[in-house]
Amino acid sequence: EPEVTQTPSHQVTQMGQEVILRCVPISNHLYFYWYRQILGQKVEFLVSFYNNEISEKSEIFDDQFSVERPDGSNFTLKIRSTKLEDSAMYFCASSGGRVVPGELFFGEGSRLTVL
Amino acid sequence: RKEVEQDPGPFNVPEGATVAFNCTYSNSASQSFFWYRQDCRKEPKLLMSVYSSGNEDGRFTAQLNRASQYISLLIRDSKLSDSATYLCVVNPGDGSYQLTFGKGTKLSVIP
Repeated sequence: EPEVTQTPSHQVTQMGQEVILRCVPISNHLYFYWYRQILGQKVEFLVSFYNNEISEKSEIFDDQFSVERPDGSNFTLKIRSTKLEDSAMYFCASSGGRVVPGELFFGEGSRLTVL
Repeated sequence: RKEVEQDPGPFNVPEGATVAFNCTYSNSASQSFFWYRQDCRKEPKLLMSVYSSGNEDGRFTAQLNRASQYISLLIRDSKLSDSATYLCVVNPGDGSYQLTFGKGTKLSVIP
């Protein structure tokens, strides 16, 4: 069964450092997303990406965040200068073209710990 | 503010029991509705989409009441493997692909 893969599974970083989280979406999918979940809290939307550009972003996705699809397979989330409150599980997701919005396939997540 | 509210539980039920979860959403313009399942420290996985007419998938039945802005999930004949957190998820429609998640209802099925 095709799946979304994410690396690293866990990253520990110092406050102020840059972090890049990587995702390989399902190969024939067209829509890509990043969500995050702070421990014990709800899953929150960060950004959606379609046709090589951001289609939507939330208030959380400020200037410290950026996304990129550098090649035909990878989809990355960069946090330029991490803060303590960025500690969370970051989920990448993808969906196909002709699909009901909301039927997403999530990766297993990258746990980010900012010290 | 667009919110999705759920009873956090936990719901502790014996194997074979029937259990129902409820969810309310605040955005009356919402178009699409879903139940996701999340195991402890794992990713959310789509359980089922929720249609206006209601829909069933094996032991799982989902209902939508647009007038009351209310969604439900019924699980019949609970299995130990049903133990998880069930997330109510709403899409606002209007061309948006953004999802709003509820905090989830935790279910523990006990032998």
